[in-house]
Amino acid sequence: DAGITQSPRHKVTETGTPVTLRCHQTENHRYMYWYRQDPGHGLRLIHYSYGVKDTDKGEVSDGYSVSRSKTEDFLLTLESATSSQTSVYFCAISELPDRRGYTFGSGTRLTVV
Amino acid sequence: GQNIDQPTEMTATEGAIVQINCTYQTSGFNGLFWYQQHAGEAPTFLSYNVLDGLEEKGRFSSFLSRSKGYSYLLLKELQMKDSASYLCAVRERDYKLSFGAGTTVTVRA
Repeated sequence: DAGITQSPRHKVTETGTPVTLRCHQTENHRYMYWYRQDPGHGLRLIHYSYGVKDTDKGEVSDGYSVSRSKTEDFLLTLESATSSQTSVYFCAISELPDRRGYTFGSGTRLTVV
Repeated sequence: GQNIDQPTEMTATEGAIVQINCTYQTSGFNGLFWYQQHAGEAPTFLSYNVLDGLEEKGRFSSFLSRSKGYSYLLLKELQMKDSASYLCAVRERDYKLSFGAGTTVTVRA
């Protein structure tokens, strides 16, 4: 399996606090993605990166920012966490062309109280 | 953007066959994927279709009709371990994937 790890795996935080989730890959893939998964909505794209320091917004980017200073790391920051951001967050990587689409990390379960 | 529809839930008996349908609308189709996701785990790749027709891989097969915006995933000889959520995902020309909400399949003994 591809080397992709997410940290932390679980986190509980308070409303209004900043939170950073980390995605680390050892595959040297160019593309990295952050999704959130909620019941009834499936996976929705938050932000993605197509290279170091090259990032763009997805469909649900409000309240989130990202950074990619190295090929292997893609950080997702919730600037001021809200209860609506309680979700499971998945990082994914890909290299084109890729018949598998994406390879996913194990996910981070974030609860905002 | 994408509009991807699949049934929310399906139930079948061990040893039976289940077909999960997926319909989509897209402005620039560049492939369709099926992923399996067990509860609490990450999605894992099952199949990929980019041309019309059937792709078979063991007990799982996936079909695509681009003109109809339609795909299905066929699970044969169902086993208890096949109880999971199955995600249909469409890739557009920009190579991003958009996902359906997933179909939860429950296999009963």
